[in-house]
Formats: sequence, C-alpha cells, structure tokens
Amino acid sequence: AQSVTQPDIHITVSEGASLELRCNYSYGATPYLFWYVQSPGQGLQLLLKYFSGDTLVQGIKGFEAEFKRSQSSFNLRKPSVHWSDAAEYFCAVGPLGGGGNKLTFGTGTQLKVEL
Amino acid sequence: GAGVSQSPSNKVTEKGKDVELRCDPISGHTALYWYRQSLGQGLEFLIYFQGNSAPDKSGLPSDRFSAERTGGSVSTLTIQRTQQEDSAVYLCASSQGSTGELFFGEGSRLTVL
Repeated sequence: AQSVTQPDIHITVSEGASLELRCNYSYGATPYLFWYVQSPGQGLQLLLKYFSGDTLVQGIKGFEAEFKRSQSSFNLRKPSVHWSDAAEYFCAVGPLGGGGNKLTFGTGTQLKVEL
Repeated sequence: GAGVSQSPSNKVTEKGKDVELRCDPISGHTALYWYRQSLGQGLEFLIYFQGNSAPDKSGLPSDRFSAERTGGSVSTLTIQRTQQEDSAVYLCASSQGSTGELFFGEGSRLTVL
C-alpha cells in the first residue's frame, strides 16, 4: 500500500529565510508526486508535481521540489520565504496512468512565518 | 463554473441527524473525489467517481456514508445518523484525464453536536 510521511508537523521560519519541507513516500512503482498548499479556510492548491524526467521540478510561487528515488523523498524547498507562504503544506503520492488518480496524502506540515 | 463548488460551506447538526453535502465539479472533468480532512490527520480518501464506471467506495468509513453522482456532474455525499466523530471538513475534488492533478473545492465543514 502506498503511504506518505511528513515528519514535521509544525515548522517556523523567519521571513526571507530558506525553507525545506520533508516528504517521504512508500510506493511499489514509479509514483506521481505532488505538493499542495492550503491557506486558512481555503481548498488545496497544487504547487507542483513530478511525473517523470528531470528530478528537480519547479512550481508556482517560487517553490521547487526534488525527487530522490534512492531516498524515497520529494522534499519541497523555497530559497526565501514570504509572510504570505504561511499555510499548511501537503505532500501526496498517486498511481501512474489510468485507473484513477486517487491520491494518498501526508498529514501535512503547518508553516509559520515570523516577520 | 470556474472552480469546484461545494455547499454548504458550514453545517452544524445534531447527533443522529442525516446530512447532505453537495459538490459541483469543474465543467468537463470526468473524475470526482471526496476526501475528509480531520484535525491533525491529513486528508482521508472517501470515494472516487470516474465517468460512468462503478465508483471506488473503498475509503468510506461505514455504511452510514454514501455518495452519488448524477449525470456525470454534481455529486452528493450523504451521512446518515451522524456521529460526533464525523465532524470534519469534507473536501471535493475533480480532475480530467490522467494528469493526476486534482482541483479542490473549499470544503464543507461539518460539526456534529
């Protein structure tokens, strides 16, 4: 069965500092990997996704993530955090191709940004 | 509409009552998903509809939960005889094709007193 682990429940960073959110997955094949962000009172918005090819993927709002197969990881990074980045971040893994895009989500990492 | 629309945005009900939550997906999206988001527990998959195929109900937690999708568009999630542990945010998402990208609504927050 597939699973996603986000080991950090809460992270606090200062505005302008760099950020890395950890995500480890368990999956029996090459996965689709996603990062979503949820601002308070809102639905989830896709930040970026990895399907294949270049293991470093760029997303919206200046975020990037690197797929490391050997470590089963897909960590999210941003060089300089803005106060508006405060939100909850979810990593997700999904099946390849047809048969549905049912995603398995991690428990999320709550990001707080100190001014 | 431009995005996934869910209603009601908030619902407070008494234990034992039935509730219905509605989801209107993005026009043209053939796949529709329901997830439940409980405090500190991430998103839990409930049910998935794809076109005219039989839905994947593998995530429904009990037989008190059911969902239907009429005409391949709007979906209703029904919870019968609500319990306090049903309190959560119920999120609907839709997608098109095999891109894996789910588009989420803002959710329906259910509180069972």
